[in-house]
Amino acid sequence: DQQVKQNSPSLSVQEGRISILNCDYTNSMFDYFLWYKKYPAEGPTFLISISSIKDKNEDGRFTVFLNKSAKHLSLHIVPSQPGDSAVYFCAARGYSGNTPLVFGKGTRLSVIA
Amino acid sequence: GAVVSQHPSWVICKSGTSVKIECRSLDFQATTMFWYRQFPKQSLMLMATSNEGSKATYEQGVEKDKFLINHASLTLSTLTVTSAHPEDSSFYICSTFSDEISSYNSPLHFGNGTRLTVT
Repeated sequence: DQQVKQNSPSLSVQEGRISILNCDYTNSMFDYFLWYKKYPAEGPTFLISISSIKDKNEDGRFTVFLNKSAKHLSLHIVPSQPGDSAVYFCAARGYSGNTPLVFGKGTRLSVIA
Repeated sequence: GAVVSQHPSWVICKSGTSVKIECRSLDFQATTMFWYRQFPKQSLMLMATSNEGSKATYEQGVEKDKFLINHASLTLSTLTVTSAHPEDSSFYICSTFSDEISSYNSPLHFGNGTRLTVT
């Protein structure tokens, strides 16, 4: 049973436009959510996170939105750049010290120049 | 710069041999490290939680006798794939966070992963 779901395996966006990556979760105990970016043969790189007490967190071109009632979060990248092309993983964990992350399957973003 | 160093980055071995993967935290102490595995086009799946000075905690379905974890110091955890078989071929990644930072709001930092190919 997958607790973190990314239903779109891939997404193509034109350079300069907005990229929206979606993520749904089923475990109501999750209260900290993260987005990671991953290139082939490399470990994931942390992008941005949000705790359940917020509904939005912004960092430069990246904004994460959280809708707790819908158990849904999204990552917005604007404007999208070719260097953003990678696989993006949504991850979550509950509040308990030293807990691992549960990952979605990832969405491959392709930004076309 | 990198905060977690993982070696080797890739390894090819023959079936039946053992392979050791090292994960080091740089510039900080890490009591807890996590080992993940990723198959092609799949998610990162947690294999085990490694705790310094105690036995690792393995996820359901992960054979502890096959995937030996040693966390002998606060900066080093090792994963040994024993008697490797072709189905063990995968991308193995370690991750951790600093003991000095509250784990609640701190992201996990990942190593660059190890691509294991068993022939």
